[in-house]
Amino acid sequence: DSGVTQTPKHLITATGQRVTLRCSPRSGDLSVYWYQQSLDQGLQFLIQYYNGEERAKGNILERFSAQQFPDLHSELNLSSLELGDSALYFCASSAWGPITDTQYFGPGTRLTVL
Amino acid sequence: AQSVSQHNHHVILSEAASLELGCNYSYGGTVNLFWYVQYPGQHLQLLLKYFSGDPLVKGIKGFEAEFIKSKFSFNLRKPSVQWSDTAEYFCAVNAGSGGGADGLTFGKGTHLIIQP
Repeated sequence: DSGVTQTPKHLITATGQRVTLRCSPRSGDLSVYWYQQSLDQGLQFLIQYYNGEERAKGNILERFSAQQFPDLHSELNLSSLELGDSALYFCASSAWGPITDTQYFGPGTRLTVL
Repeated sequence: AQSVSQHNHHVILSEAASLELGCNYSYGGTVNLFWYVQYPGQHLQLLLKYFSGDPLVKGIKGFEAEFIKSKFSFNLRKPSVQWSDTAEYFCAVNAGSGGGADGLTFGKGTHLIIQP
């Protein structure tokens, strides 16, 4: 157990809908990262938050957004869902954000868009 | 932008065989390198990492990796594998710029199956 929790574990929804994925980082970690894992694209970095502020952006679509709250948990919002958004979404956390920090991964949320 | 390529997508070995998984990255500057493992049904776990210093790094569960800067490689090795090493292995890199932070760029992964 990495100490990073993600809910829900599975999510099934329809095209055009909007969903919210939740992540709680390890106790004391200030930085949260979101990744998408799909069969064709592999594991891709989406976005990073550090202590409530956006720190770095990767291949995140405009339909997707995230935020980190004062209690440091983070939410990833996916809207206008398409079939191709079906994937495993991982959250990771690290102590404070320098790139030498080890990132600890959560168990993931499996999103299926029908 | 960085990229990572893992040469073998599927590897099948017998127990006690030696393992070497290839990883090459493309990035002109200083890099930090990682190997993560994902056991069936579990989350990604860090096996080992290289930031600087001795290019031969030792990780958990008997794994080691060697950073060869001239070859842009960071191959993972284990002298004798066990059935419990069956998993997906991911090589990852981020830019070692020393300032700011960035997510990890992952390779596509190598699915390792160890036969008893």
